[in-house]
Amino acid sequence: AQSVTQPDIHITVSEGASLELRCNYSYGATPYLFWYVQSPGQGLQLLLKYFSGDTLVQGIKGFEAEFKRSQSSFNLRKPSVHWSDAAEYFCAVGARGGSQGNLIFGKGTKLSVKP
Amino acid sequence: DAGVIQSPRHEVTEMGQEVTLRCKPISGHDYLFWYRQTMMRGLELLIYFNNNVPIDDSGMPEDRFSAKMPNASFSTLKIQPSEPRDSAVYFCASRPGLAGVGANVLTFGAGSRLTVL
Repeated sequence: AQSVTQPDIHITVSEGASLELRCNYSYGATPYLFWYVQSPGQGLQLLLKYFSGDTLVQGIKGFEAEFKRSQSSFNLRKPSVHWSDAAEYFCAVGARGGSQGNLIFGKGTKLSVKP
Repeated sequence: DAGVIQSPRHEVTEMGQEVTLRCKPISGHDYLFWYRQTMMRGLELLIYFNNNVPIDDSGMPEDRFSAKMPNASFSTLKIQPSEPRDSAVYFCASRPGLAGVGANVLTFGAGSRLTVL
């Protein structure tokens, strides 16, 4: 069955420190991969996506993610965290070609940022 | 484009009452999705439509839930009768069709927070 696992429910980092949020997926083929961010009281906003090509993808707000096929992972990274990055982050997978329509989301990782 | 528009943003109702949540997708998007978010279960897909036709409603929890999409610019999610366990944030999202730029990229509304007392 298709699934997405975000092993860390809550992470706290200091402002200015680096960040890595983990995402592992189970899928029959190479899927489309996404990271979304949700600020309190808001909907989900797309940070970045991987469809094909370069396995290191750049997103908005200084985030990047690397697709590692051998590890079935798509970890999100940021070299220096800002207080405004405090939010919940969701990894998601979708079928290539969009034939199945929907995305499967992980349960999310809540990021807290210490001053 | 104003994005995906949901209403109401907040709804407080009493158990047994009917609740209707509304969604206006982005113009030109062929797919519309309804998700429910709770602390316990995370983000769950309830139902999605393609060109106004329901494609997969296997996530709809029970017969008290129903969703319609009478035209390309409007969808409703109805709960009748509502129960306290339905309290959650309900998100609507839309995306272009298969051949469009940004295919598979969902755009979410701000959500409707439902509290059933």
